[in-house]
Amino acid sequence: AQSVTQLDSQVPVFEEAPVELRCNYSSSVSVYLFWYVQYPNQGLQLLLKYLSGSTLVKGINGFEAEFNKSQTSFHLRKPSVHISDTAEYFCAVRPTQGGSEKLVFGKGTKLTVNP
Amino acid sequence: ETGVTQTPRHLVMGMTNKKSLKCEQHLGHNAMYWYKQSAKKPLELMFVYNFKEQTENNSVPSRFSPECPNSSHLFLHLHTLQPEDSALYLCASSQVTDRAGYEQYFGPGTRLTVT
Repeated sequence: AQSVTQLDSQVPVFEEAPVELRCNYSSSVSVYLFWYVQYPNQGLQLLLKYLSGSTLVKGINGFEAEFNKSQTSFHLRKPSVHISDTAEYFCAVRPTQGGSEKLVFGKGTKLTVNP
Repeated sequence: ETGVTQTPRHLVMGMTNKKSLKCEQHLGHNAMYWYKQSAKKPLELMFVYNFKEQTENNSVPSRFSPECPNSSHLFLHLHTLQPEDSALYLCASSQVTDRAGYEQYFGPGTRLTVT
């Protein structure tokens, strides 16, 4: 079984500051990793994903994440945030094999960008 | 319509009512999912349909009954719900193959309130 821990439930930052949202996972098998964003009153939108290859993954809206296998982490970063980045961010994993389509999500991190 | 659509967007129902949630995906995917999103809890996978066959039921109470008549449509039939069933119900779809990918595309959700 897999589990995902998002260490911060809320992260307030000022506009144009850098931000890092932390994600750690636990799994006995290899996994694919995803970050999703949920804006108020909307569904989830894929930000980026790690499947294989380079451990630094770039996504939409200037976000990137780095897969660290030894630390079982997949932290999300953005060098300069905008007010419009205010949203909830979810980290998710799924096994690379086994035939399950099931995504396991973390509890989410609410990012609030203040002017 | 594009992506994944859900109707209605908001629903208020009494505990003795029967209602249905509808999801439609316009992406040509072969798998569809129902999730429940409650305050302060992780996203909970409820059901998975793969090629119209239910492949996962995460111990969901029988008052929730899914139906997948074809690969583009997914319903969630509700009856005799409890107040704790109030939540945002999200539908998602993905293309499942024997290769990597599997990101799920989400609809905007139905906000359900049980009175």
